[in-house]
Amino acid sequence: DTGVSQDPRHKITKRGQNVTFRCDPISEHNRLYWYRQTLGQGPEFLTYFQNEAQLEKSRLLSDRFSAERPKGSFSTLEIQRTEQGDSAMYLCASSLDPGRTLNGYTFGSGTRLTVV
Amino acid sequence: GESVGLHLPTLSVQEGDNSIINCAYSNSASDYFIWYKQESGKGPQFIIDIRSNMDKRQGQRVTVLLNKTVKHLSLQIAATQPGDSAVYFCAESFSGGYNKLIFGAGTRLAVHP
Repeated sequence: DTGVSQDPRHKITKRGQNVTFRCDPISEHNRLYWYRQTLGQGPEFLTYFQNEAQLEKSRLLSDRFSAERPKGSFSTLEIQRTEQGDSAMYLCASSLDPGRTLNGYTFGSGTRLTVV
Repeated sequence: GESVGLHLPTLSVQEGDNSIINCAYSNSASDYFIWYKQESGKGPQFIIDIRSNMDKRQGQRVTVLLNKTVKHLSLQIAATQPGDSAVYFCAESFSGGYNKLIFGAGTRLAVHP
């Protein structure tokens, strides 16, 4: 296991289309997070899973966004009816629970979404 | 609301010099502070963290200082190298929650030979 994997690395889509991203966390990590990052800004928290349970969702996660982690392993993030404002880097991270430090909080390389 | 911000958007240093990147935070409940390095096209990479019951922590060539009185965090990089060129983010978290990280906007460090 070499870390957190995200697929695809890049996605270009037309406005109004649906897109789905996948994240494979570090295998023993039971916590999984999705963040969104726009150019020049720090990542913004979107949602969090502990095992298969989605325990927190940001107000940034509109009704067009849905995330799942059906078996407590990989996760998917779907955006329906994409808008140009959805263009960003979507980052996934995973960690162990309960971590006394965040040293194990590991990010993937992200999926860059461009909505045209 | 909660926020983590940085004083300087860009920092240019000569190779071999020491670098200091600063950060201000606003949430008194935060008890973990983390510095990340992000290179172009990559996700944030953990550098060092510090808990709120400490005021200093050292790693390899890096030191993080925490001043809770003024809610200030800094990252010191000794003998800066070209490979240190990247964007650096500070982030805060509350361990009693779900370890959601709140990031600032970042500082770009440019190391010149």
